[in-house]
Amino acid sequence: DAGVIQSPRHEVTEMGQEVTLRCKPISGHDYLFWYRQTMMRGLELLIYFNNNVPIDDSGMPEDRFSAKMPNASFSTLKIQPSEPRDSAVYFCASSFGTYNEQFFGPGTRLTVL
Amino acid sequence: EDQVTQSPEALRLQEGESSSLNCSYTVSGLRGLFWYRQDPGKGPEFLFTLYSAGEEKEKERLKATLTKKESFLHITAPKPEDSATYLCAVQASQEGGTALIFGKGTTLSVSS
Repeated sequence: DAGVIQSPRHEVTEMGQEVTLRCKPISGHDYLFWYRQTMMRGLELLIYFNNNVPIDDSGMPEDRFSAKMPNASFSTLKIQPSEPRDSAVYFCASSFGTYNEQFFGPGTRLTVL
Repeated sequence: EDQVTQSPEALRLQEGESSSLNCSYTVSGLRGLFWYRQDPGKGPEFLFTLYSAGEEKEKERLKATLTKKESFLHITAPKPEDSATYLCAVQASQEGGTALIFGKGTTLSVSS
């Protein structure tokens, strides 16, 4: 298995632009998680899905953030409009079952100028 | 509020110099405690899961232990390739499951 796949690996954009991050989880996993990592706050959960249904989005910082999972093999995290404080590394992770280890993708480093 | 505190923030060791990393936690009913390793520019890589106080798990030079309030990651005779950030996370036991709460990590540097 190729593991969790994320794209793009790096994204540089200007303030106000729309940003879309993509994730392909490990085949057969039924949970998908989106995290954001910064030096100040560490690794924070944004939202997670179970069987393509959003379960907890309490970590989504603002209405500018939205996430979708149209099928078991694809998820997107969208920021519109983007702001400089959104600059961070965004990770997608997946797991089989709610209490098992999560497998992380390589991350997307987002820079908003 | 569930939370995880890791110490020290950074640790420098000489090759072969054993030490321990600490993870203190407060959680409303612990379902599991997880240790991850993160290399620069990469996603966290799973190491161990511990479920109950007294449990221990080992992998090469690493051994993780768990008490009711904290977990330790013991590193025996470390090598330079053990240099990384080590993250601890807890999961509370609630119906339907919950997400992981991560500490900020300990960055380990091992010099030869």
